[in-house]
Amino acid sequence: DSGVTQTPKHLITATGQRVTLRCSPRSGDLSVYWYQQSLDQGLQFLIQYYNGEERAKGNILERFSAQQFPDLHSELNLSSLELGDSALYFCASNPSGGSYEQYFGPGTRLTVT
Amino acid sequence: DQQVKQNSPSLSVQEGRISILNCDYTNSMFDYFLWYKKYPAEGPTFLISISSIKDKNEDGRFTVFLNKSAKHLSLHIVPSQPGDSAVYFCAASDLWSSGDKLTFGTGTRLAVRP
Repeated sequence: DSGVTQTPKHLITATGQRVTLRCSPRSGDLSVYWYQQSLDQGLQFLIQYYNGEERAKGNILERFSAQQFPDLHSELNLSSLELGDSALYFCASNPSGGSYEQYFGPGTRLTVT
Repeated sequence: DQQVKQNSPSLSVQEGRISILNCDYTNSMFDYFLWYKKYPAEGPTFLISISSIKDKNEDGRFTVFLNKSAKHLSLHIVPSQPGDSAVYFCAASDLWSSGDKLTFGTGTRLAVRP
């Protein structure tokens, strides 16, 4: 158990809908990262927040957005969903960011039908 | 553009033997490398890392070797155990120009036969 929690575990929704994925980092970790893993692909970095502020952005679609709240939990919002958005979405955290190991949650499996 | 490549999608080894997982990268700015292990229905778990100023790092049965001139790293597991059966991801970071993100390979599925 990494100490990072993600909810929900599974999500099935229809094209065009909007969903919110939630992540609680390890106690004391200020930095939260979101990654997407599509079928047979590596994890693709989406976005990072540090202590409530956006710090780094990857190839995140404009339909996707995220935020980190004062209690340090983070939410990833996915809107106007398409079939290709079906993937595993992982959240990771670490104490202060930087090129150090990140601790991953169990992921949310999103299926868009 | 796949900057981190794991060209072997799968590997099968006998219990007790050595497992060698390989990873190549193209971005010479990468300065920190990590290996993660992933079991089904779980998130990736950090295994071992190496800074670009080193060429070897060891932790128990796991050793990572870095060859910067060849832009190649490898993970050695000795001896391999059935519990090591998982997908292994290589990841790299370039703190100075790409911030804190990790760039992952596509993974190698290791099966350790009893």
